[in-house]
Amino acid sequence: NAGVTQTPKFQVLKTGQSMTLQCAQDMNHNSMYWYRQDPGMGLRLIYYSASEGTTDKGEVPNGYNVSRLNKREFSLRLESAAPSQTSVYFCASSERSGEETQYFGPGTRLLVL
Amino acid sequence: QKEVEQNSGPLSVPEGAIASLNCTYSDRGSQSFFWYRQYSGKSPELIMFIYSNGDKEDGRFTAQLNKASQYVSLLIRDSQPSDSATYLCAVNLWAQKLVFGQGTRLTINP
Repeated sequence: NAGVTQTPKFQVLKTGQSMTLQCAQDMNHNSMYWYRQDPGMGLRLIYYSASEGTTDKGEVPNGYNVSRLNKREFSLRLESAAPSQTSVYFCASSERSGEETQYFGPGTRLLVL
Repeated sequence: QKEVEQNSGPLSVPEGAIASLNCTYSDRGSQSFFWYRQYSGKSPELIMFIYSNGDKEDGRFTAQLNKASQYVSLLIRDSQPSDSATYLCAVNLWAQKLVFGQGTRLTINP
């Protein structure tokens, strides 16, 4: 089992460009999450999907959109990248929302110039 | 006040000593509490979770929860250089979501 995978591992964008971060899990988990991590800020939740077909905003959703493509895949889209979106992005999954252990992917380092 | 607060450190502990990491949270209704370890450049990995007041031990790690005082701590006994990492406290504050503290950077000195 690969667990949680993310692509790409690293990306450089120019301001205004768009991109989609991909996440997939092979643990048959119901819930998936997108976080960003900035120095001194810990992990902040961007969006989450409690189950297939549902998505909800987290703490910092502005500038992002998500799609729960199926039970395995949860993508994060930046429509018009801004330098403030320079960060490390982690995808995570859990068997069900809130109470259960979350398993994290390896992260995507994004630099917006 | 932040919802989940940790001392960002760095916390420096000699090898073999006990490392004590603390976390406070704002919501008295929180039910579950997690400690994650994150090595530099890597993703967080779960060390322990605790749901009930008191202590929970797993090898060299002990999680302590005091809901009345709204704090949760992690003790690492016989600290090793391999324990050097950032430790993230996470609390189930809202239904279906975890809120993370900013993390405490721990360094174990040989």
